[in-house]
Amino acid sequence: DGGITQSPKYLFRKEGQNVTLSCEQNLNHDAMYWYRQDPGQGLRLIYYSQIVNDFQKGDIAEGYSVSREKKESFPLTVTSAQKNPTAFYLCASSIKWGYEQYFGPGTRLTVT
Amino acid sequence: GDSVTQMEGPVTLSEEAFLTINCTYTATGYPSLFWYVQYPGEGLQLLLKATKADDKGSNKGFEATYRKETTSFHLEKGSVQVSDSAVYFCALKITQGGSEKLVFGKGTKLTVNP
Repeated sequence: DGGITQSPKYLFRKEGQNVTLSCEQNLNHDAMYWYRQDPGQGLRLIYYSQIVNDFQKGDIAEGYSVSREKKESFPLTVTSAQKNPTAFYLCASSIKWGYEQYFGPGTRLTVT
Repeated sequence: GDSVTQMEGPVTLSEEAFLTINCTYTATGYPSLFWYVQYPGEGLQLLLKATKADDKGSNKGFEATYRKETTSFHLEKGSVQVSDSAVYFCALKITQGGSEKLVFGKGTKLTVNP
């Protein structure tokens, strides 16, 4: 089946550790996105990639980093510089930049 | 700046009740408008969309009409089911300087009781 996979579903880390969230898609989509969702808030864009080997900062990129070495993969690293990392992280992709976005199931990260 | 305002939840209804979730927006230009649904523990799914004024988006019994004069895109369903329990997000897509992005509302949680 085609789709977007995020793993793991739940992730726990100690404060001060970097952690990498996985996002894989087999939809052959060019564009991929990372969002952060906090309780009672809408989604906020962290980073996006319009095409492989390219990525741009979104609205809240500080404390995060990404890479896009392969078309199907767009991992997000939450660094120790991110002040409030505990959140639900959603990855999305679209066939081209600006087209309808399809979302993965999300990863809930808890940092204590 | 561009923004989306949704009615605050949570909204609790009985099965077969009528649903309205209000959404208004502020945007420069002519945005496309969307409703996304998030079922418990899952990612977002596109529910419906409208790309220009007076367009009506519809899916699974839900409808929303793009009203430019009132800058609104209210979600409605005539008879809700327990399976409609989810969080609903209104969103707009804007294009500025060759860049496009989705701007989301804060979400409205709907609970439908049998």
